[in-house]
Amino acid sequence: GESVGLHLPTLSVQEGDNSIINCAYSNSASDYFIWYKQESGKGPQFIIDIRSNMDKRQGQRVTVLLNKTVKHLSLQIAATQPGDSAVYFCAENGGGADGLTFGKGTHLIIQP
Amino acid sequence: NAGVTQTPKFQVLKTGQSMTLQCAQDMNHNSMYWYRQDPGMGLRLIYYSASEGTTDKGEVPNGYNVSRLNKREFSLRLESAAPSQTSVYFCASSTDRVGGYTFGSGTRLTVV
Repeated sequence: GESVGLHLPTLSVQEGDNSIINCAYSNSASDYFIWYKQESGKGPQFIIDIRSNMDKRQGQRVTVLLNKTVKHLSLQIAATQPGDSAVYFCAENGGGADGLTFGKGTHLIIQP
Repeated sequence: NAGVTQTPKFQVLKTGQSMTLQCAQDMNHNSMYWYRQDPGMGLRLIYYSASEGTTDKGEVPNGYNVSRLNKREFSLRLESAAPSQTSVYFCASSTDRVGGYTFGSGTRLTVV
């Protein structure tokens, strides 16, 4: 079946550097994508979303890029801080009423 | 604070016991969801309720039942707990399928 996946399970970056977390999706009908951040012991928190009629969206220190040609999206975090350490999930809403489909997540580790 | 409230936060059950996980949201959202999260995996949808009075199966519904008691509350019941149901359970809500989801802080369930 259709699935959402992530390229790397763990990403380690130096504090202050930019982080890029990637996500591939396979459902060409997906029209809405969301990035979530999950800190240890907590529920996922909404970071940023993007609809399929856009290829880029910016928030505070975060940017999401969507490439529909290769079914790929990425989350860029500028000037990574210790508080950014978490597991990041991409999720797609493929068109039904049955909720989001989540990838397995990327664990972002911040090195001092 | 506004949001999604889950109870209990932790629970240990013996195989065969039953229990109900409670979830309530105060954001006047129409849709509510129950997910489970297993180690190293993304969230998988158990059941969802697109609106008050309706419920539908998600990806992994076996062994669970749900009740959408009213617009605010959506409960998840395990009739006869099994060790395979050891997991962290998250409830979420959204205005509709195209919006971002708000998650509760989770219930960590262990079945021994």
